[in-house]
Amino acid sequence: EVQLVESGGGLVQPGGSLTLSCVASGFTFTNYWMSWVRQTPEKGLEWVANINEGGTEAFYVNSVKGRFTISRDNARNSMFLQMDSLRADDVAVYYCARDQGRRRRQYRDHWGQGTLLTVSS
Amino acid sequence: QSVLTQPPSVSGAPGQRVTISCTGSSSNIGADYDVHWYQQYPGTAPKVLIYANSNRPSGVPDRFSGSKSGTSHFLAISGLQAEDEADYYCQSYDASLSDYVFGAGTKVTVL
Repeated sequence: EVQLVESGGGLVQPGGSLTLSCVASGFTFTNYWMSWVRQTPEKGLEWVANINEGGTEAFYVNSVKGRFTISRDNARNSMFLQMDSLRADDVAVYYCARDQGRRRRQYRDHWGQGTLLTVSS
Repeated sequence: QSVLTQPPSVSGAPGQRVTISCTGSSSNIGADYDVHWYQQYPGTAPKVLIYANSNRPSGVPDRFSGSKSGTSHFLAISGLQAEDEADYYCQSYDASLSDYVFGAGTKVTVL
């Protein structure tokens, strides 16, 4: 059974940093692109970033470029999202998701339970 | 404002057929990028319902179907059931943004 478990969410001050983690199990991690997707009641679902199987390619939504860094550790079946210069509009539930399909045609076929990021002073 | 446009809500009686539209532009749906549909219950993660326009993952009832017409895609739910009451989102790729994009979601209410 595919399982994705996120952790690391919490309360951070504006301008602060936080790293989210996602541990995968139940599938061959090295065979899949992985994504982070966030959700707020106001903006709905927003794809944030994804990374290829080997961790050599990464893509980001414009609003996080230069502030967020996606990475993975295939030896530990883990993916990370390092978030710097956090802003109020980064507040969201962050989901780890497995990507399926070819680049530009991908969809998210398995999702974690989500972890909440709050940015407030 | 979402790149992909969905109606905020649709409703129907049990057993009826409802459709949800997902309208884009020439940089996403009109450029023939695939559309995928997700179902989400409150407090839970989204679940893929339809992928690559019209394909159902194993375990998804055949009451759910996807189709395309021009720059719009449609999710149809036939034989509406109480358990179908949820939020539904479409997703595609936008070449102008170089991003994966979602619709704002449609709440399905079973009357």
